[in-house]
Amino acid sequence: AQTVTQSQPEMSVQEAETVTLSCTYDTSESDYYLFWYKQPPSRQMILVIRQEAYKQQNATENRFSVNFQKAAKSFSLKISDSQLGDAAMYFCAYRTHNQGGKLIFGQGTELSVKP
Amino acid sequence: EAGVAQSPRYKIIEKRQSVAFWCNPISGHATLYWYQQILGQGPKLLIQFQNNGVVDDSQLPKDRFSAERLKGVDSTLKIQPAKLEDSAVYLCASSLNMGATPSYEQYFGPGTRLTVT
Repeated sequence: AQTVTQSQPEMSVQEAETVTLSCTYDTSESDYYLFWYKQPPSRQMILVIRQEAYKQQNATENRFSVNFQKAAKSFSLKISDSQLGDAAMYFCAYRTHNQGGKLIFGQGTELSVKP
Repeated sequence: EAGVAQSPRYKIIEKRQSVAFWCNPISGHATLYWYQQILGQGPKLLIQFQNNGVVDDSQLPKDRFSAERLKGVDSTLKIQPAKLEDSAVYLCASSLNMGATPSYEQYFGPGTRLTVT
């Protein structure tokens, strides 16, 4: 079975600075997807960024980028130029073509942004 | 395009009572997921539907939880009787179809926060 681990329960960053959230996963599959989701206090789960395992190039979405290390099974999220609106819970998630495409989530990292 | 709708947003019940949650997925989405998110944890899949058939209910506590998706559109998740450990946020998500391709991205509703006292 696949597992996702986020070892940082809480992180803090100064506004306009850069922060990196860590995620590791375990799987025996070669084809899968990895995601970072943001969950603000409203509880709405919002997709931040997606990485296909077969792509060597790291995904980037504006201020958000990932460092995907397939051999190490590591998938970190870098947030540049942090903004107050980035404060939220961030979840790393794994999704496989098998098992109906369900998402397997990590425990989450609560990010606070200091003005 | 309307998003995934859920109701109620909040529910407080006493243990051993019953409760039901409702989800209306995005129009045209064949796949519907119910996740349970206990405070301080990531969401965990309870049940997945493809149209009106169950794909995965391996983590659904079937002695107290039930779910249905009549006509392959709306879905209802029921807990009877509730226990203290059922206190959680229940998230509904939908996708165009099964599988993990980008075109089948999961869209989440706002969730229902259940408190069992």
